Amino acid sequence: AQSVTQLGSHVSVSEGALVLLRCNYSSSVPPYLFWYVQYPNQGLQLLLKYTSAATLVKGINGFEAEFKKSETSFHLTKPSAHMSDAAEYFCAVRSYYGGSQGNLIFGKGTKLSVKP
Amino acid sequence: NAGVTQTPKFRVLKTGQSMTLLCAQDMNHEYMYWYRQDPGMGLRLIHYSVGEGTTAKGEVPDGYNVSRLKKQNFLLGLESAAPSQTSVYFCASSGDRGQPQHFGDGTRLSIL
Repeated sequence: AQSVTQLGSHVSVSEGALVLLRCNYSSSVPPYLFWYVQYPNQGLQLLLKYTSAATLVKGINGFEAEFKKSETSFHLTKPSAHMSDAAEYFCAVRSYYGGSQGNLIFGKGTKLSVKP
Repeated sequence: NAGVTQTPKFRVLKTGQSMTLLCAQDMNHEYMYWYRQDPGMGLRLIHYSVGEGTTAKGEVPDGYNVSRLKKQNFLLGLESAAPSQTSVYFCASSGDRGQPQHFGDGTRLSIL
């Protein structure tokens, strides 16, 4: 079975600082991986996706993520945090097993706070 | 450009009452999903559908039923609401398994 682990339920950075949100996955087959963002009182929006093409994936709002097979990681980064980046971020992996094949398995989320 | 629309946005129920949450999508997507979101738990899949007339159980299906009579609509029913079902419910759709899912803005449900 596949799983996703997001390290750190809360991350706080200063405005202008590097944002690093960690995601590790478990999968015995090449994974499809996704990062979603959720602003308060809204649904989830897709930030970026990895589908076995380039290992460095660029998304919206200046975010990017690097797929590292050797580390089973798909960490999300942004060079300079803005106040508007404060939100909750979810990593997800596509399920390949059983009847749920193709469904997404979500991590528990990381809430990002940005200090002025 | 509506995307995925959920109604209602908020609801308060008493234990034992029943209700139906409606999800509508205008993207002609085959796949639709119902999730619940609870603090510290991420999103957990309740039920999903791979096309009109089909439904399947997800990770936490107990206490819920679903129907997909029309391709654009996916209904989630609570037969006899319990306080443990207090949550935020999200509907999502996708054009294909593994493709990005598009989410609605959620229904905040409180059961007293």
